[in-house]
Amino acid sequence: DAGVTQSPTHLIKTRGQQVTLRCSPKSGHDTVSWYQQALGQGPQFIFQYYEEEERQRGNFPDRFSGHQFPNYSSELNVNALLLGDSALYLCASSPSTQAGTFGSGTRLTVV
Amino acid sequence: EDQVTQSPEALRLQEGESSSLNCSYTVSGLRGLFWYRQDPGKGPEFLFTLYSAGEEKEKERLKATLTKKESFLHITAPKPEDSATYLCAVTSFNRDDKIIFGKGTRLHILP
Repeated sequence: DAGVTQSPTHLIKTRGQQVTLRCSPKSGHDTVSWYQQALGQGPQFIFQYYEEEERQRGNFPDRFSGHQFPNYSSELNVNALLLGDSALYLCASSPSTQAGTFGSGTRLTVV
Repeated sequence: EDQVTQSPEALRLQEGESSSLNCSYTVSGLRGLFWYRQDPGKGPEFLFTLYSAGEEKEKERLKATLTKKESFLHITAPKPEDSATYLCAVTSFNRDDKIIFGKGTRLHILP
């Protein structure tokens, strides 16, 4: 049984560019949450999707947006990238609002 | 403001030397407290969920306990493979189940 799958694993972008990260949830999970984890910090909640709707949102600017598809997979989009957006982006899926199962993340480097 | 504080930030132990990690929280209406293990460059791996004061959970050399203000992760006779960052997170009834993570404790077990 595949767990949570994230792609790509690593990504390098230039300031001002846009990026899309992808997440396939664990089988049977319908809720997807996204987190940003800076080096040496705990994960910071970005937003959560359920039934293709953004259900909750953390303290992140509108440059961060997302989408959930009918098959429960999800995308995280970040526009106008800043150097400070460099981080490990984690996706977690769950059958409810609980913390859930995490993927291995996408390491984004903005140069 | 809801907050999760973990201590110590880092801990070095000899193999077999038992110790405890602390997670103190200030949230109104705790819904659940979670412990995760995170290896470098990987996503967090779920360990335990605790819901009410007095609850305890065990898994191999790890035991998690919960009081009204804090949780402890006790590590008994640790082995080098227990080296990782241990993350604590909480959800609150009053925050629409948004998950707040602490910064983690980096544990290093010396052989």
